[in-house]
Amino acid sequence: EAAVTQSPRNKVTVTGGNVTLSCRQTNSHNYMYWYRQDTGHGLRLIHYSYGAGNLQIGDVPDGYKATRTTQEDFFLLLELASPSQTSLYFCASSDRGNTLYFGEGSRLIVV
Amino acid sequence: AQKVTQTQTSISVMEKTTVTMDCVYETRDSSYFLFWYKQTASGEIVFLIRQDSYKKENATEGHYSLNFQKPKSSIGLIITATQIEDSAVYFCAMREDYAQGLTFGLGTRVSVFP
Repeated sequence: EAAVTQSPRNKVTVTGGNVTLSCRQTNSHNYMYWYRQDTGHGLRLIHYSYGAGNLQIGDVPDGYKATRTTQEDFFLLLELASPSQTSLYFCASSDRGNTLYFGEGSRLIVV
Repeated sequence: AQKVTQTQTSISVMEKTTVTMDCVYETRDSSYFLFWYKQTASGEIVFLIRQDSYKKENATEGHYSLNFQKPKSSIGLIITATQIEDSAVYFCAMREDYAQGLTFGLGTRVSVFP
């Protein structure tokens, strides 16, 4: 049974559109992360959180907001989507300092 | 700043042989953690094995093992007795002691042929 679940798995939106990617983990981990994966850039950290209500900025945060509503749930928000945000997005969870466990990925296309 | 480099973009091997892939990293920290992940054709990212910098012994996990050469800032992944299902992209990653999240290399694509 998947311990990190993302939705939607695929999404197409228009430039300027509003998108929310959802992530739920059942690992009882404190830390959750959002990464984007792009050819030539690999996996890059957007935002992360170490608990409900907490948000930390990652390496490529511009154009993204995030919110951690509970220990289980972490959301990535694109309020004015742009074609440059077309990517494969991964959520992950971990205990502090430990191994990250990834969700299945969410493919977003902005046209 | 952390940096992880995988110089091999792709490797092809015959089934049941051994494959070795390289990874070098840069860090100013004396304490750090190194990881290898595998991304399958379906896109799933799976944790394989990790090495903590303070441990001298190379980590092993099933048919995965690591070649940790701390003076060279190098952490190679060795897969023995490869199977067709080992065909994937392999990522090296690092976390410094007080950082969160991982810094990833760009990956090495491994193709295993019968």
